[in-house]
Amino acid sequence: DIQMTQSPSSLSASVGDRVTITCRASQSISTYLNWYQQKPGKAPKLLISAASNLQSGVPSRFSGSGSGTDFTLTISSLQPEDFATYYCQQTYSTPRVTFGPGTKLEIK
Amino acid sequence: QVQLVESGGGVVQPGRSLRLSCAASGFTFSNYGMHWVRQAPGKGLEWVADISYDGNNKHYADSVKGRFTISRDNPKNTLHLQMNSLRAEDTAVYYCAKDLGWILLRRAFDMWGQGTMVTVSS
Repeated sequence: DIQMTQSPSSLSASVGDRVTITCRASQSISTYLNWYQQKPGKAPKLLISAASNLQSGVPSRFSGSGSGTDFTLTISSLQPEDFATYYCQQTYSTPRVTFGPGTKLEIK
Repeated sequence: QVQLVESGGGVVQPGRSLRLSCAASGFTFSNYGMHWVRQAPGKGLEWVADISYDGNNKHYADSVKGRFTISRDNPKNTLHLQMNSLRAEDTAVYYCAKDLGWILLRRAFDMWGQGTMVTVSS
């Protein structure tokens, strides 16, 4: 299976900050990479598919980039509702897709 | 609106069985692949199983292969997960999720249910 890692595992930031979360795959996955946001006690929400495609209804302050093994999720200006845990997911190695361990974004 | 509602979770002893259901509404269920994804308490996400739009193709995580069976009833807009020989490590919130792709599986999950908790304990 393809292993996914994320850094940092947790992050403290303030409203208005620019934040970048990194996801790395153990082998090249082209752009078969999705990002999810999960708030406590809630189901995950798909933010970005295929590395950089913003899902309908997701604010434009979210963006994704990368290909191969290294990917980033950027939030250009943090809003209070953005504090959550973020997961990356590879869909290159199907059907056994795998998620990263998550990055918890907390309020500073 | 698009909605997925899981049911069937609960507390069960090791070795016993449980059947989860997911009722779908607000979209053409028969045109989309579906998935089960689980999350152990305080842990990350784990894909469990998927099924094609017509039910003819199914895949499982190694951790549940041979014990879990995914199925769907398109006329009733319902997804199921039959879980047999349950183990303590199966304890998790189980989510059903809709595939992003129309007909073809893309394995990005664009709609999730609220989840149902399964606890395996003696």
